[in-house]
This record gives sequence, C-alpha cells and structure tokens, in this order.
Amino acid sequence: DIQMTQSPSSLSASVGDRVTITCRASQDITNNLAWIQQRPGKAPTSLIYDASTLLSGVPSKFSGSGSGTDFALTISSLQPEDFATYYCHQYNSYPYTFGQGTKLEIK
Amino acid sequence: EVQLVESAGGLVQPGGSLRLSCAASGFTFSSHWMSWVRQAPGKGLEWVANVNQDGTKKYYVDSVEGRFTISRDNAKNALYLQMNSLRAEDTAVYFCARIFCTRTDCFYDHWGQGTLVTVSS
Repeated sequence: DIQMTQSPSSLSASVGDRVTITCRASQDITNNLAWIQQRPGKAPTSLIYDASTLLSGVPSKFSGSGSGTDFALTISSLQPEDFATYYCHQYNSYPYTFGQGTKLEIK
Repeated sequence: EVQLVESAGGLVQPGGSLRLSCAASGFTFSSHWMSWVRQAPGKGLEWVANVNQDGTKKYYVDSVEGRFTISRDNAKNALYLQMNSLRAEDTAVYFCARIFCTRTDCFYDHWGQGTLVTVSS
C-alpha cells in the first residue's frame, strides 16, 4: 500500500497569512494526487486533482504543486472559512489512501 | 446540481448487518464510477470501496473484503453498501462520493453529507 504522510499535522495561522502543507508518498504516484478540505462536522470538499488542477469553483487562492513523491498545497490570504482540515489523497493505485490530515487553526 | 444523499445509518450490534444507500441526482449516474469513504470518530478519511459504471468492477480495502459489498442500481440512480459481520472498528461516518474521470485519471469531485454507523452492544 502507498503511505501518504502530511506535514505538519497541525498549523496555526492568522487571517491574511499564506500557508503551505506538504505531502509525501511512499512511492512514485506521478501526479495522481488530490487535495481535500473538510470543515468541522461537514462533508469533505475536493479542491485539487492531478496535483495542481483546481476543480471547478475552487478559488485561485488554493494552489497545488509537485509530482512523483513530494507534493504541496498552498493557501494564500487565509480567510475564516479556510480554517479546516486538509487531506492529501493518492488515486494512483488501489488501495486508495489518504494522508493523516493537517488541521489548520486560527492563531 | 450534483446531489448525493446517504440513507440513515444507525446502531448495530457486533456481528450484525446494515445496508447503506446513496441517492444520486443532478448528473448521469450511470456514467460515473462511485465510491464509499469512511471516517472513524476523530480520525481521518479511509477509502472503503469503488464500483465502476455498470457494476462489473469492484474494489475494496482489505479490512472490509469479504464482509462488505458495494453495488449500484442505475435505473434508480442509487449506490449501496451492504455491510455484514460488522465490528466495532467499522464505526464511522460513511460518505458516498462521485468519481470523475478525465482521459487519464479518475478522482473524487463530489461528496455526500455522510451517515453515521455505530457498531456496539
């Protein structure tokens, strides 16, 4: 199975800040990586696929990068609604796997 | 508008069974792979199972293989998860999710609101 490791596990930031979350795969997944947001008590929302492509309707403040084993999600100009947990997810091979999540909290 | 609405979960005794449903609307259901993903209380997301457009290809995480069955009824625009021999570690919120495929890749693009399944005596 491909293990996905996110860093950090939690992150405190202020409104207006820019933050970056990283995700490392245990083996090469080319660009078959997605980023998913989950606000507390809510369903997940997909943000990015193929490592860097925004889904329709996702604001450009979100950006993704990377390929192979190392990936990053950057969120600029943080707003209150951005404080949530973010997961990376590989769909390169079965079993699909997710990172453990990064909880983004307001400082 | 794409909508995925899971049926109510519930409390089930260890060893018991439960069938979850997901009602899909707002898109051509028969054109999409579909999936179940779960989240144990306070934990992260865990993929459970995928099914292809006509129900002939099914994939499962090892921990549910042989106990859970994913299926679909394209005439009813419905996705199902039959869960047998339930264990305490199956306690989770279960999400139905749509998979969108481009020419080269398939990924989640829409999620249901989730339904809680509790396995306890």
